[in-house]
Amino acid sequence: EAQVTQNPRYLITVTGKKLTVTCSQNMNHEYMSWYRQDPGLGLRQIYYSMNVEVTDKGDVPEGYKVSRKEKRNFPLILESPSPNQTSLYFCASSSGTLDLADTQYFGPGTRLTVL
Amino acid sequence: KQEVTQIPAALSVPEGENLVLNCSFTDSAIYNLQWFRQDPGKGLTSLLLIQSSQREQTSGRLNASLDKSSGRSTLYIAASQPGDSATYLCAVNGGSYIPTFGRGTSLIVHP
Repeated sequence: EAQVTQNPRYLITVTGKKLTVTCSQNMNHEYMSWYRQDPGLGLRQIYYSMNVEVTDKGDVPEGYKVSRKEKRNFPLILESPSPNQTSLYFCASSSGTLDLADTQYFGPGTRLTVL
Repeated sequence: KQEVTQIPAALSVPEGENLVLNCSFTDSAIYNLQWFRQDPGKGLTSLLLIQSSQREQTSGRLNASLDKSSGRSTLYIAASQPGDSATYLCAVNGGSYIPTFGRGTSLIVHP
């Protein structure tokens, strides 16, 4: 089954404790991205990757890191989480290239709480 | 900077009604527009993708139209059902690899 998986689905942590949220897709997609969703603000892109070893900032990259060492995986790293990073996070992938001409497929989400 | 607005923010209708959800965007230089559905606590599911050269797309009871010149898209849902209850989001792709999402329309269809 074609899908995007994220782990963990739920995470409660404390300020400053490094964490990684994994994302994996089995559709051989070139493009992957991370979003956060906050009430009243909608979905905002954090980082995206057009291919292996190619990543770039989205609208809200501060406080986050990503890496794309393999085509299928795109982990999101919070080196020193803060309470304002409490949010619902989504990973997405697409086979589209220059214009995202193809459908984006979303993972089920990771609900992160930073105390 | 692209801004995407969805009206109404919330909608509650009886089963069987035909619905129109609106999405407007400020910069008409777009590549495509995509409509998504989001169920509570879950990820987004793509419903329809309209390329900038297209006027509309249809899938079952759903029809999405695009008018680039006026910066508007509508999602038409025919004969609504309780299972259609969800939040509907539109996303505009301007070619920068960073889609801009609207805040969504929360739809409740009651029996």
